[in-house]
Amino acid sequence: SQKIEQNSEALNIQEGKTATLTCNYTNYSPAYLQWYRQDPGRGPVFLLLIRENEKEKRKERLKVTFDTTLKQSLFHITASQPADSATYLCALFSGGYQKVTFGTGTKLQVIP
Amino acid sequence: ETGVTQSPTHLIKTRGQQVTLRCSSQSGHNTVSWYQQALGQGPQFIFQYYREEENGRGNFPPRFSGLQFPNYSSELNVNALELDDSALYLCASSIQDRPGQPQHFGDGTRLSIL
Repeated sequence: SQKIEQNSEALNIQEGKTATLTCNYTNYSPAYLQWYRQDPGRGPVFLLLIRENEKEKRKERLKVTFDTTLKQSLFHITASQPADSATYLCALFSGGYQKVTFGTGTKLQVIP
Repeated sequence: ETGVTQSPTHLIKTRGQQVTLRCSSQSGHNTVSWYQQALGQGPQFIFQYYREEENGRGNFPPRFSGLQFPNYSSELNVNALELDDSALYLCASSIQDRPGQPQHFGDGTRLSIL
């Protein structure tokens, strides 16, 4: 069956370091992958989109990679700040507009 | 630019009742999707509406139904509520001019079933 796995445990890192979050999937051929940030009590906020024919995307301190051979996406936050503390969700799109599957999310805590 | 708004923010119902949740899409967006998010889990796709027609559906029973109106606002209806329906219900709007467009989420309706 189709499965998306993100780091199940919370990730704690020191301020200024690079945070790396993982999204692994099986039995899936996503055409697009997105990363969202979710703060407690709020809806997810879109961060980055990467397509299956793209290896890497960057936006300010954020970087996403997409390896369709390994079936994995990595999400990096460089020079992390306490304000980056949140839950980060990956979402896979396949089959056109309507098929969207979210991972369970990884909770990131940046320690001052 | 007005974002996605959902109402109500919180709701308490009992088993067997029916509920209607509402969503106002972001201006200019023609697609709305609904998700159910249990505590500690990622959002689960319920269904999507595009130009007032259901455009895709996740693994949810028919007692979950929806509507999209000409002004692109939307409703989620759930009949015969069960305890497991307790969750955060999220609405997201987008422009579906091409696949994979970012979704803009509201802050959800927290539904509790007693």
